[in-house]
This record gives sequence, structure tokens and C-alpha cells, in this order.
Amino acid sequence: QKEVEQNSGPLSVPEGAIASLNCTYSDRGSQSFFWYRQYSGKSPELIMSIYSNGDKEDGRFTAQLNKASQYVSLLIRDSQPSDSATYLCAVNMISASERNSGNTPLVFGKGTRLSVIA
Amino acid sequence: NAGVTQTPKFQVLKTGQSMTLQCAQDMNHNSMYWYRQDPGMGLRLIYYSASEGTTDKGEVPNGYNVSRLNKREFSLRLESAAPSQTSVYFCASVEVLYTEAFFGQGTRLTVV
Repeated sequence: QKEVEQNSGPLSVPEGAIASLNCTYSDRGSQSFFWYRQYSGKSPELIMSIYSNGDKEDGRFTAQLNKASQYVSLLIRDSQPSDSATYLCAVNMISASERNSGNTPLVFGKGTRLSVIA
Repeated sequence: NAGVTQTPKFQVLKTGQSMTLQCAQDMNHNSMYWYRQDPGMGLRLIYYSASEGTTDKGEVPNGYNVSRLNKREFSLRLESAAPSQTSVYFCASVEVLYTEAFFGQGTRLTVV
């Protein structure tokens, strides 16, 4: 069973603080990792993608990947009320046979609801 | 450039009725996906198509069928709708292996 695990929250942080969102995954062979933001009633939109171990920064967002620990995180600096949303972790869970066939299911976690308090 | 377009946006069905959800992308992407989203359950994969002419089951395929009509279009069919299929359905497309998914605006389906 391919799994992506996230704490469902809600995670509440004060405006201006750092929000830390975490995700673990079960397939050690996974190659690509994504964070999506979803506002209520809307479709998911991509925040960050990360493919290599380490940190990747884009504005107020930093994604961190540790393949050995099968762990990916998202940090949001200077959190704003507009960041209040559900954050979804997604992983390309690819087995050897699927890689050969080109089949690449993108598996999502259940999401963490973030609330930034003004 | 519309991206990923889903029709309809809203639908109410009676138990036992059938319907097809349509999805089309104009980005020349290879892979397409159908997900359902229920409260507290995240996005669960129903079916996916890695490339034109291929389809595979995801996590929750029972009660659904799909057709990859061509590279642009991927439809999801409910043959005999059940209340348990009340959900928000999202179609997504991916350009090539390992890259990000782009989502349609979703279809809110209610089965009564």
C-alpha cells in the first residue's frame, strides 16, 4: 500500500510566525515531491516541487527533502492570513515495474489545514 | 490557454442513474488522472492514464470506468450512481514523468 501521511491539523500560527508542515511517504524509490495549496471550494494549486535532498527556497516558502528518512516538509515564513488553507503533500510513488511501463500514480496525503491568526 | 477543463461543474443524480464526467487539457500533456475528494480524506486516485491508449486503476476504482479518448480527453463514467459517490471530482494532467500535476476546477456531484 502506497501511503503519504500528513498531520491533519488544524495547525494554528500567529501572523508573522513560521508555519511548519510535515509529510512522510512509504515508497523509498519515490523521485518527485510536491506541495499544493487548496483554498476551500477551489482546486489544488502548486506551491513547490522538490526532487533532490536538501532545501529549496521560493520567496517565503522553503521545501525540505530527506529521502533517507522518507520525509518532506514545507516551511512558510512570515505567515499571512491569506496563507490559511489546506496544504497537500503529493509524491510520485513509482515501483520498478511502473517506472519501466511509464505509469506514475501521483499519490496525495490527506492534507494539513493551516490557520494563520491575525 | 484554458489548461484543464472539466464539465459539468455541478451535477445532481438520482441513485442508479449514469453519467460521464468530461475532462480535456490543451497543454499536450501525456498523463491524466481522476481523483475524488471527500471531507477529511484528501485526494484519492480513481483511475489514471499514463499515456494515450493506456489506463490503470488507482486506489478507489470500484463503480467507475474511464476512457482516454485521445491525448486531450479523459472521461470518467459512473454506470449506476450510488450515494457513496457523492464527492468532488478533480481531473489533472501531467506533462512528463516526475513533473507537477495541473488541476481542473472540479465537479461537485451529489447522488440522492
